[in-house]
Amino acid sequence: GPKVLQIPSHQIIDMGQMVTLNCDPVSNHLYFYWYKQILGQQMEFLVNFYNGKVMEKSKLFKDQFSVERPDGSYFTLKIQPTALEDSAVYFCASSSSGGANERLFFGHGTKLSVL
Amino acid sequence: GDSVTQTEGQVTVSESKSLIINCTYSATSIAYPNLFWYVRYPGEGLQLLLKVITAGQKGSSRGFEATYNKETTSFHLQKASVQESDSAVYYCALRPGTGSNRLTFGKGTKFSLIP
Repeated sequence: GPKVLQIPSHQIIDMGQMVTLNCDPVSNHLYFYWYKQILGQQMEFLVNFYNGKVMEKSKLFKDQFSVERPDGSYFTLKIQPTALEDSAVYFCASSSSGGANERLFFGHGTKLSVL
Repeated sequence: GDSVTQTEGQVTVSESKSLIINCTYSATSIAYPNLFWYVRYPGEGLQLLLKVITAGQKGSSRGFEATYNKETTSFHLQKASVQESDSAVYYCALRPGTGSNRLTFGKGTKFSLIP
């Protein structure tokens, strides 16, 4: 079936540095998402992105966060600067449509460890 | 905000026995939410198992069923006869009925067969 790829699977970074998480969505998908899961908690919505714009974001999507899809391929989440509380698994998802018929495809996640 | 509560932790059942994973929800929007079950099989990304967007209706897939009950605000997942290939982590989720594509997830329930 369709695959969403996230590279790398684990990233370790020092607090205060910048990190970019990469997501290769399903080709021809138009809607893109990031979710965050802290160990032992549920997956939580961060942001969705469509047509080059952030459509919706949650309170977890701090000012230090940004998203883009600069070359029409990778969808990226950048955190600058990182904080200890950013340590989590970040899941990317994509879908071909929004609304009631939406079906999300998720990647395996990138585990971010901020030291 | 919206919330989803599901059977916590792990559920084990003998092969060919029935399985039920409970899910209840709370939604802040006036419009009835859309309800989903997502599943993560070992080594794979999260994927949609079934969805129901209309209160009172039942969704089914791969032998699993869930009925959207707006009176009890529940969306329990059931299967009459489980097998090894059903071993996975199951997540109940909701999306607001209007105006948002964000999913609110439960914490997940891990199912495995009794050895």
